[in-house]
Amino acid sequence: EVQLVESGGDLVQPGGSLRLSCVGSGFTFSNNWMFWVRQAPGKGLEWVANIKQDGSERYYVGSVEGRFTISRDNAQNSLYLQMNSLRAEDTAVYYCARDRGYYVFDPWGQGTLVTVSS
Amino acid sequence: SALTQPASVSGSPGQSITISCTGTSSDVGGYDYVSWYQQHPGRAPKLIIYDVSKRPSGISDRFSASKSGNTASLTISGLQAEDEADYYCCAYRGSGVFGGGTKLTVL
Repeated sequence: EVQLVESGGDLVQPGGSLRLSCVGSGFTFSNNWMFWVRQAPGKGLEWVANIKQDGSERYYVGSVEGRFTISRDNAQNSLYLQMNSLRAEDTAVYYCARDRGYYVFDPWGQGTLVTVSS
Repeated sequence: SALTQPASVSGSPGQSITISCTGTSSDVGGYDYVSWYQQHPGRAPKLIIYDVSKRPSGISDRFSASKSGNTASLTISGLQAEDEADYYCCAYRGSGVFGGGTKLTVL
């Protein structure tokens, strides 16, 4: 079964840091672009960052540029999101997703909740 | 900016509904790479349509989709209670963009 499992979400104070992880199984992890997508409470889906198969290209939504870093370890079938200088508006469920090509996201992980609050 | 979807649609069991997704010639109209996702409350999104009108294995043929110009459409026929969920479109434009989401209520 093709599967993604996220972890690392937590309650953190504004200005703090957090590292999310996503482990893939059931497919060749190194073959696909990988994405982080978030969903604020009661809101829609927002692309956060994505990374090429070999990690040589990374892209971010403007609101997280310079604060978040996406990375991957293909040997460990793992995707990461390092989040620094967190703000209240970063509060969301964060999903990792495999890109099957041209932004076809399948599967998605179960999501991990990040809450930024004092 | 996000693709434009109606905030909500509703229908009775057995009926058909259509959800629109309007973009521009740079995304929806520019490529045949529109996908649709179903999300039940508290659950992760699930791919139900890709490449404008293709269904992944295991997705009911009650779900169909098409595109005309800058607008893509998702149609659900023979509405069932389990179809009640949020639906999101996504289009390729070099970077990805999601629609704002549509809440489907089955009356």
